[in-house]
Amino acid sequence: GAVVSQHPSWVICKSGTSVKIECRSLDFQATTMFWYRQFPKQSLMLMATSNEGSKATYEQGVEKDKFLINHASLTLSTLTVTSAHPEDSSFYICSARDLSTLQETQYFGPGTRLLVL
Amino acid sequence: RKEVEQDPGPFNVPEGATVAFNCTYSNSASQSFFWYRQDCRKEPKLLMSVYSSGNEDGRFTAQLNRASQYISLLIRDSKLSDSATYLCVVISGGSYIPTFGRGTSLIVHP
Repeated sequence: GAVVSQHPSWVICKSGTSVKIECRSLDFQATTMFWYRQFPKQSLMLMATSNEGSKATYEQGVEKDKFLINHASLTLSTLTVTSAHPEDSSFYICSARDLSTLQETQYFGPGTRLLVL
Repeated sequence: RKEVEQDPGPFNVPEGATVAFNCTYSNSASQSFFWYRQDCRKEPKLLMSVYSSGNEDGRFTAQLNRASQYISLLIRDSKLSDSATYLCVVISGGSYIPTFGRGTSLIVHP
């Protein structure tokens, strides 16, 4: 299947700092990528839909100024958690769909664990 | 009512058992259905797509019931390595945005 990478895998930072997470589709182009957040023993929660060349679409309750999304190319989307606080500590996962296959299968990155102290 | 609902479990079964999970969805316009597997502290990985005619992959069988708006996953001859959380994913026509169930936890014990 298609490969999606995320970087970094782990982030530990102080409260108030900003953290950037990259999501890359390695062997296919993705005009749309999705960003999720998952707290322990909880379901994946969709945060936003990242669209190449246009503004991201945020889910209700997700602050767009807090979670900045940039989808600058067909293979890269970034999520920046601005002024991170301990309550932002979570598992952040991106996914992408390989449009060339006409299938709707979502391929997930390995996730980024964020711990804000 | 949530868009996609699953029994969180856990389902605790012995090796070799057959176990089945259901997942109900509320949007009748839903078009695509998938089962994903998520191991602890890992990302979800595609287990299988669910087709209208049903599909089978080794010990795993997935079925779709549009009339009752649910999909099912059957696991035969359970292995210890099947222990994981199984996520139901539904995509509604046009949006391409996947909606996840909260997952069903399966524990296979010796």
